[in-house]
This record gives sequence, structure tokens and C-alpha cells, in this order.
Amino acid sequence: EVQLVESGGGLVKPGGSLRLSCAASGFTFSSYSMNWVRQAPGKGLEWVSSISSSSSYIYYADSVKGRFTISRDNAKNSLYLQMNSLRAEDTAVYYCARVVGYSYGDWGQGTLVTVSS
Amino acid sequence: QSVLTQPPSVSAAPGQKVTISCSGSSSNIGNNYVSWYQQLPGTAPKLLIYENNKRPSGIPDRFSGSKSGTSATLGITGLQTGDEADYYCGTWDSSLSWVFGGGTKLTVL
Repeated sequence: EVQLVESGGGLVKPGGSLRLSCAASGFTFSSYSMNWVRQAPGKGLEWVSSISSSSSYIYYADSVKGRFTISRDNAKNSLYLQMNSLRAEDTAVYYCARVVGYSYGDWGQGTLVTVSS
Repeated sequence: QSVLTQPPSVSAAPGQKVTISCSGSSSNIGNNYVSWYQQLPGTAPKLLIYENNKRPSGIPDRFSGSKSGTSATLGITGLQTGDEADYYCGTWDSSLSWVFGGGTKLTVL
């Protein structure tokens, strides 16, 4: 069974930093691209970042470019999102998602990030 | 403002059929596969349809997808109260980003 478990969310002040993690199991992690998708309270889904299976290709949404860094450790079956210079508008539930074909085949349960003073 | 356009809400009675549209452009839907996601209240999204019209195992055939040009449609027949959820379309965009629709809230009256 595929499992994606996010952690690292919490309350942080504007301008602060946070590192999210996603622990993957139940599949060959190193064979799949992974993404972060977020959802602000009461809002829709917003793609944040993508990383290919070998980290060769990395993409970011314009809203986070230059502030967030996606990475992965295939030996640890883990995906990360380093978030710096956080803003109030970054407040959201952050999901990690496995790319299967041309879709998000599996999602984690999400971790809440709240940016507030 | 989402890149893909969905109606904010749709509603129908139990047992009826409903369709949800998703409109994009040649930069996204027109040249890429569309997928659909169901998000039940308080839960993570779940893949409902992939590659325009394919259902993952476990998804009942009451759910269907189609694509024509730069638009896609999700169809749900035999509506049940358990289908009440938010539905999102998504696809890759040539700007090297993934894009979602704004979401459609389905109410089963």
C-alpha cells in the first residue's frame, strides 16, 4: 500500500523558515517524480513544486520561486520542501503527491503551515 | 484566478446525473492529459480520472471523463449523497507548471 506521510508543519512568524518532509513507502520511491501541492484555508488546490525521480528536473510556481527549495533523498525515501521568507499568504495545508503517468496518483494527508505573527 | 475554469458549484438530486466542465487553452488542456480529483470534506484529494477518461482501480464506473479540444468534462451518474465533495481538474501547462481548476462544489440535494 502506498503511503505518503507529511510532517514539519506548524506556526511560524512572517519572514521565518520551515522544512517540510514527506516519508514515502509502499512503492519504489526513486522511480517517481514527486510534487508539493498546497491548499489555503477554504481555497482550491495550488501546485507548488515538482522534482523528477533523479532530481534532474525541478520546477516551482512563480509564487514561491526563490523562496522555496524542493529536494529528495532516494536512499531515505523522503521528499522535502525548504520554505524561507515565509509570508501570510503561504498559510495552507501542504500535500506531497506522487506523479503516476500524467496525474497525481497518490496524496499524503497534508501538514498545516500557518504564517502569523 | 485559476488557469483552468470550472463552475464554482453544481447540484442535482440523488440518482440523477451531473457534469462538471473544465476549460483551458492550447497551453494546457489542448496538448496534455487531464485528470480529475475528488476532495471529500476534511480529507486529502483523491485521483478520480486520469489521462482524460481512465479510472483508477476502485473508482466506480459512475464516474467518467472526456476531453475535446481545450475543454474537459467530468460526468457523475447515479448521484449519491456520498458524492458531495469538491472536484478539481488538473493538467500540465507549457509554462512548466501544473495547473488546477478552481474547484467545483457538488451538492446532492
